[in-house]
Amino acid sequence: AQKVTQAQTEISVVEKEDVTLDCVYETRDTTYYLFWYKQPPSGELVFLIRRNSFDEQNEISGRYSWNFQKSTSSFNFTITASQVVDSAVYFCALIENTGFQKLVFGTGTRLLVSP
Amino acid sequence: ETGVTQTPRHLVMGMTNKKSLKCEQHLGHNAMYWYKQSAKKPLELMFVYSLEERVENNSVPSRFSPECPNSSHLFLHLHTLQPEDSALYLCASSHPLGPGSGGELFFGEGSRLTVL
Repeated sequence: AQKVTQAQTEISVVEKEDVTLDCVYETRDTTYYLFWYKQPPSGELVFLIRRNSFDEQNEISGRYSWNFQKSTSSFNFTITASQVVDSAVYFCALIENTGFQKLVFGTGTRLLVSP
Repeated sequence: ETGVTQTPRHLVMGMTNKKSLKCEQHLGHNAMYWYKQSAKKPLELMFVYSLEERVENNSVPSRFSPECPNSSHLFLHLHTLQPEDSALYLCASSHPLGPGSGGELFFGEGSRLTVL
């Protein structure tokens, strides 16, 4: 069965520090999709990125970057030069190619960025 | 107008009450979802609707009853709930389901439910 593990429950950093959020997944499928979502205090989950299992290229979007490594079943998320507005809970998630969008989430990592 | 709107944002109810949560999406999607988010637990998928037909019922107790009258609206009817049902209930929508679609879900801000 599919599973997503986010071992870091909470991370605290000072503004302008770089921070990496870890995500390890388990799946038996060869085709799958990985996601990162951000949940600010307002509650809404905000989509950040989707990556399919056939695309191992790392991606950079502004201060955000993602490192996908199938060899270690990891999809880590790095925020460069963190800002207070980055404070939120970040979720990693997985969908297998089963026909339905059964998005399985990790337990989330709470990031606290202090001034 | 936000993409996915949920009402009410906060709800307090007794165990004998009957209430409903409402979700509306303005994104032209035809798949909608209910998720439950409890403290210190992963988000749990409750129900999935595709083209107004329920395609997933993830072993949810019958005291939760979903309704999807059209592709833009989704309800979660609540009755005789238990205190452990207190949680944040999140609605989401996506493009059509199907193998390989891999589309992202768009979430509402959630309805915070407290059962006394």
